[in-house]
Amino acid sequence: SQQGEEDPQALSIQEGENATMNCSYKTSINNLQWYRQNSGRGLVHLILIRSNEREKHSGRLRVTLDTSKKSSSLLITASRAADTASYFCATVSLSGNTPLVFGKGTRLSVIA
Amino acid sequence: DAGITQSPRHKVTETGTPVTLRCHQTENHRYMYWYRQDPGHGLRLIHYSYGVKDTDKGEVSDGYSVSRSKTEDFLLTLESATSSQTSVYFCAISESGKVNEKLFFGSGTQLSVL
Repeated sequence: SQQGEEDPQALSIQEGENATMNCSYKTSINNLQWYRQNSGRGLVHLILIRSNEREKHSGRLRVTLDTSKKSSSLLITASRAADTASYFCATVSLSGNTPLVFGKGTRLSVIA
Repeated sequence: DAGITQSPRHKVTETGTPVTLRCHQTENHRYMYWYRQDPGHGLRLIHYSYGVKDTDKGEVSDGYSVSRSKTEDFLLTLESATSSQTSVYFCAISESGKVNEKLFFGSGTQLSVL
């Protein structure tokens, strides 16, 4: 069963705009991770945020986690055409020792 | 970065035939995974391994078996392929050394079962 659920399913923006994707989950987690997948390729790990953290940054990426609402968001600032990809959130159960469970992803299109 | 090689990259087979997909890594990572990716379902875990000869089932393990006789190789076998197993199969390793953090994925195997 899928734990994380991304919203929206698809997002289309102009280059230079910010892109925000959301992930909701149902049960308490140990950590949440975001991955990117370019068309025809494998997933690439972007960022991990632990349950005791509220925000993390990596370059143009900003991830927030609200455990009370069981949700996370991924913000990509000043988007580029190269950011066009699918983005997945993945959760780890509270025990911390079980494999990742991925959501279905958000398809982001950045138009030049 | 971890080096993962999946083979074959593409395969077309017939219903009822056995199929083996291979995942090879070069850096002795402990944890290895097989996922399948289908439209509308995202990625779903088939099996994973936490060491030589140590494997466990994932969410969609029916119809699949795995073997890990060497640290570097993780094989996924479809004993008798069915059309529902048409999918893109990804192998992954855990770069962090933990079962669930920072997975690194191979390029995938596109499998078509006719």
